[in-house]
Amino acid sequence: DAGVIQSPRHEVTEMGQEVTLRCKPISGHDYLFWYRQTMMRGLELLIYFNNNVPIDDSGMPEDRFSAKMPNASFSTLKIQPSEPRDSAVYFCASSLGQEKLFFGSGTQLSVL
Amino acid sequence: DQQVKQNSPSLSVQEGRISILNCDYTNSMFDYFLWYKKYPAEGPTFLISISSIKDKNEDGRFTVFLNKSAKHLSLHIVPSQPGDSAVYFCAALGNQFYFGTGTSLTVIP
Repeated sequence: DAGVIQSPRHEVTEMGQEVTLRCKPISGHDYLFWYRQTMMRGLELLIYFNNNVPIDDSGMPEDRFSAKMPNASFSTLKIQPSEPRDSAVYFCASSLGQEKLFFGSGTQLSVL
Repeated sequence: DQQVKQNSPSLSVQEGRISILNCDYTNSMFDYFLWYKKYPAEGPTFLISISSIKDKNEDGRFTVFLNKSAKHLSLHIVPSQPGDSAVYFCAALGNQFYFGTGTSLTVIP
């Protein structure tokens, strides 16, 4: 299996622009997670889905953040409008049950 | 508030010696703990785990110890190798996975 695939690997945008991050989970996994990594808070859970249904989005920082999972093989995390404080590495992870997370390589987001 | 804490941001160890990475948690309901390893520009990868019914789990050079009364776990790497240089994240499973802020390990050849 190719593992969890995220795109793009790097995104540089200007403040106020819309940013869309994409994720393809491992086939057969029923959980999908979006994390943000910062120096201060480490790996911070933003939202997770079970069988394509959002279960907990309490970690989404503001209404500017939204996430969707239209089918079992694709999810997006959107930031609109983006701000410089959103600059971070965003990881997608998937799992079968909640035993062990498999992470993608991440998207390095820089908002200027 | 951080429910999983790694108070040492960095650690340097000589090759061949033992590396000990520490992690504390606040919620006594956590019943499953994991360590992840992360190289630069890559996602975290699973290293080793332990259930709350055990106090030790070993996998090759890696051993995780769990002290439930102290709400503390540690990862021991023996012997340490330069390829072990990475950031190590501790995680605990409650209603979700809670991660610490990571410890950057440098193994000096």
